[in-house]
Amino acid sequence: GAGVSQSPRYKVAKRGQDVALRCDPISGHVSLFWYQQALGQGPEFLTYFQNEAQLDKSGLPSDRFFAERPEGSVSTLKIQRTQQEDSAVYLCASSLSVSRDTEAFFGQGTRLTVV
Amino acid sequence: QQQVKQSPQSLIVQKGGISIINCAYENTAFDYFPWYQQFPGKGPALLIAIRPDVSEKKEGRFTISFNKSAKQFSLHIMDSQPGDSATYFCAAKQGSSNTGKLIFGQGTTLQVKP
Repeated sequence: GAGVSQSPRYKVAKRGQDVALRCDPISGHVSLFWYQQALGQGPEFLTYFQNEAQLDKSGLPSDRFFAERPEGSVSTLKIQRTQQEDSAVYLCASSLSVSRDTEAFFGQGTRLTVV
Repeated sequence: QQQVKQSPQSLIVQKGGISIINCAYENTAFDYFPWYQQFPGKGPALLIAIRPDVSEKKEGRFTISFNKSAKQFSLHIMDSQPGDSATYFCAAKQGSSNTGKLIFGQGTTLQVKP
C-alpha cells in the first residue's frame, strides 16, 4: 500500500476484554514503532521493532501490553484485560531505517475506547 | 518525565498572520528535531525538521529556529492560512540510540481565522 495501514480504525471494548490492533507498515520499512496518544496529548512511545526483533519495549505501560512482528512486516499490539485508562489512539509508524534523519510515517491510528 | 515542553497549548491567528510555537528540551543528546502536523482523525505527518548544527531552516512558509545553547526551538508559520488549522507537535530524537524513537511535546492546537 501507499502508506501505513492500521485496523480497526475504531474499537470499543468492555473492561476486561482482550484486544488486538494491527499495523501494516510501508513495504520495505525496517523500523516499526507503536505510540499511544491520549486525548489532547502528544504521542508517547510504546515499543520499537527492527525487522522482527523487538529492540525496545520500555514504553509499554504494563505486562498487559504485548507486541509482535513475527515476519518483520505486519505487527500486532495486544492488550489483555483492558482497563479504562487504556482508552487512547494507538498509532503505528514505520521508517526505512533507524538513522537520525529518516522520516517516520504514521498510520491513521486505532481509537480504542474501553467501557 | 517531560523531556520536551511545548507552548502555547492553543493559538488563534488571523489569516495572513504569523503563528509561532515554541519548544524546549532537556536532553542534550537529542540531535534531530522534527515538527509534525496532525489533522483530526489522522496520524501525524512530518512538516519540517532540523539538526542542531544549523540555527534556522526554511521550507516555504514554515521556518524552524533553533537555539542550541538555550535548548529551545520554534516553528514559525508565515502568512498563516485557514488550511493550516491543525495540531502541531514538536519532537526530538536521539540519533545515536538504537531505536530512533521520537519524544513528542504536548501539542499546540492552531486555529487560523479567515
